[in-house]
Amino acid sequence: AQSVTQPDIHITVSEGASLELRCNYSYGATPYLFWYVQSPGQGLQLLLKYFSGDTLVQGIKGFEAEFKRSQSSFNLRKPSVHWSDAAEYFCAVGARSGGYQKVTFGTGTKLQVIP
Amino acid sequence: DVKVTQSSRYLVKRTGEKVFLECVQDMDHENMFWYRQDPGLGLRLIYFSYDVKMKEKGDIPEGYSVSREKKERFSLILESASTNQTSMYLCASSPRTVQETQYFGPGTRLLVL
Repeated sequence: AQSVTQPDIHITVSEGASLELRCNYSYGATPYLFWYVQSPGQGLQLLLKYFSGDTLVQGIKGFEAEFKRSQSSFNLRKPSVHWSDAAEYFCAVGARSGGYQKVTFGTGTKLQVIP
Repeated sequence: DVKVTQSSRYLVKRTGEKVFLECVQDMDHENMFWYRQDPGLGLRLIYFSYDVKMKEKGDIPEGYSVSREKKERFSLILESASTNQTSMYLCASSPRTVQETQYFGPGTRLLVL
């Protein structure tokens, strides 16, 4: 069975600073990896995903993530954070389980942006 | 624009009541999902459905049931609500293949008194 670990529950960064959110996964085969964002009071929205090819993936809102198989990681980065990026971020791993799609989510990292 | 709608944003129910949460998607997706979201626990899968009238248990199905009579609609049922079912409930849908994006509704915040 797959699993996802997001070691940081809460992160605070200054506006304009760079950001890296950590994600480690466990899965025996090549995983399908996702980052979702949840703004306050909203559902989740996809930021980016990886399932093959170039290990550096570009997403919406200026985010990118790098898949590192040797480290079982899929960290999310942004070079310069904006106040509107304050939200909760979820890493997820997808796999085929019994013929069905199953996605397992991490526990989330809440991002606070200070002026 | 793709859309997943949930019947209520907020619900307050009493212990023992039967509760229906409804979800509708307009994207002709095969897969639909119900999650509950609790602080520090992330999203946990309750049930999912990969076709009309088909359902599969997720990681925490106890105390819940589901119904999918039409492709676009997936209902979550709490047969007898309990206070430990107070939570945020999120519905999602996706196309059949495993690498596809899930599209989420805005969530229903349920309070059971």
